[in-house]
Amino acid sequence: DTGVSQNPRHKITKRGQNVTFRCDPISEHNRLYWYRQTLGQGPEFLTYFQNEAQLEKSRLLSDRFSAERPKGSFSTLEIQRTEQGDSAMYLCASSLAKDSIFYEQYFGPGTRLTVT
Amino acid sequence: KQEVTQIPAALSVPEGENLVLNCSFTDSAIYNLQWFRQDPGKGLTSLLLIQSSQREQTSGRLNASLDKSSGRSTLYIAASQPGDSATYLCAVQRVNSGGYQKVTFGTGTKLQVIP
Repeated sequence: DTGVSQNPRHKITKRGQNVTFRCDPISEHNRLYWYRQTLGQGPEFLTYFQNEAQLEKSRLLSDRFSAERPKGSFSTLEIQRTEQGDSAMYLCASSLAKDSIFYEQYFGPGTRLTVT
Repeated sequence: KQEVTQIPAALSVPEGENLVLNCSFTDSAIYNLQWFRQDPGKGLTSLLLIQSSQREQTSGRLNASLDKSSGRSTLYIAASQPGDSATYLCAVQRVNSGGYQKVTFGTGTKLQVIP
């Protein structure tokens, strides 16, 4: 296992279209996180999963956003009716959480979304 | 609400200098703090993780310290090299009142090491 992978790496879409991103975490990691990062800012937390359960969602995650991790392995993040303000880098990370200890988060290369 | 601040926003040093990057956080009830580097247009690379019970961690030329009571962490880079040029981000993790993990990033310090 070589790390966290994300696809696609780049996505250009027109306003109003739907897009879906995929994240494949490190296989033994039970937690998976989604973040959004805009230029010059640190990543902003969107949501995270413990296995297949979505445990927390940020208020940044509007109704147009939905994330799934159906079998506790890969995850998808879908944005419906994209807006120009959705243009950002979408980052996925995974980690191991065990016995109330949170271990290091490992990040994927990100998916850069441009909404025209 | 946890706020994480990194000062300075940008730093330029000559090669070979030792340097310190700062990270401040407002809520000291954290589980851990993690330092990352990010190269332009890339994802984040984990550098060091300090659990709340620890005071420091070391990896090669990097040393990170944590002072929970004052809400501060520092990342010390010894003998800086041009390859260290990147944006350095700190992230704090805590558990909210609902028992859920919360992660808050700083805005980063952009480091340039001049040959």
